Amino acid sequence: AQTVTQSQPEMSVQEAETVTLSCTYDTSESDYYLFWYKQPPSRQMILVIRQEAYKQQNATENRFSVNFQKAAKSFSLKISDSQLGDAAMYFCAYRDYGGATNKLIFGTGTLLAVQP
Amino acid sequence: DTEVTQTPKHLVMGMTNKKSLKCEQHMGHRAMYWYKQKAKKPPELMFVYSYEKLSINESVPSRFSPECPNSSLLNLHLHALQPEDSALYLCASSPSDRATGELFFGEGSRLTVL
Repeated sequence: AQTVTQSQPEMSVQEAETVTLSCTYDTSESDYYLFWYKQPPSRQMILVIRQEAYKQQNATENRFSVNFQKAAKSFSLKISDSQLGDAAMYFCAYRDYGGATNKLIFGTGTLLAVQP
Repeated sequence: DTEVTQTPKHLVMGMTNKKSLKCEQHMGHRAMYWYKQKAKKPPELMFVYSYEKLSINESVPSRFSPECPNSSLLNLHLHALQPEDSALYLCASSPSDRATGELFFGEGSRLTVL
């Protein structure tokens, strides 16, 4: 069974600095998706960034980028120029490449605090 | 702005009450999901509907009863709940094909069972 591990329950970063959140996963599949979702106190889960496993190039979305190491099964999120609005719970998630019945598997989350 | 709308945002109910949570999406997605989330924990999958048919039931107690009247609507009927069922209930949707893989979440319904 696929598993997702986030080893950092809490992280803290100074405003304008850079922080990296770690995620590892385990799967025997070759095609899959990886995601980082953000959940602020407002509760809604918001997609931050997506990576398809067949793409070697690391995904980037403005200040957010990933370091995807397929062989090592590692998928870390780097947040550059951190802002107060980045404070939230961040979940790493995995999903097999397929239809609706493929489950989205979440890690346990990393609570990110941003210090002014 | 969320494209998955959940109502109500907050619900308080007694253990003998019957209530429903509602979810609506207008993105043309054919898969819809219910998740339960406890504080500072990841969401736990409860049910998946694909093309209005229940495709996954994660051994959820029968006091939770899902319903998918059409491709845009998803309900969760609640009856005889327990205090431990208090949680945030998240609805999500996704295209049924392989297009992007991501799920789109609503803001959730915060349920308190007294």
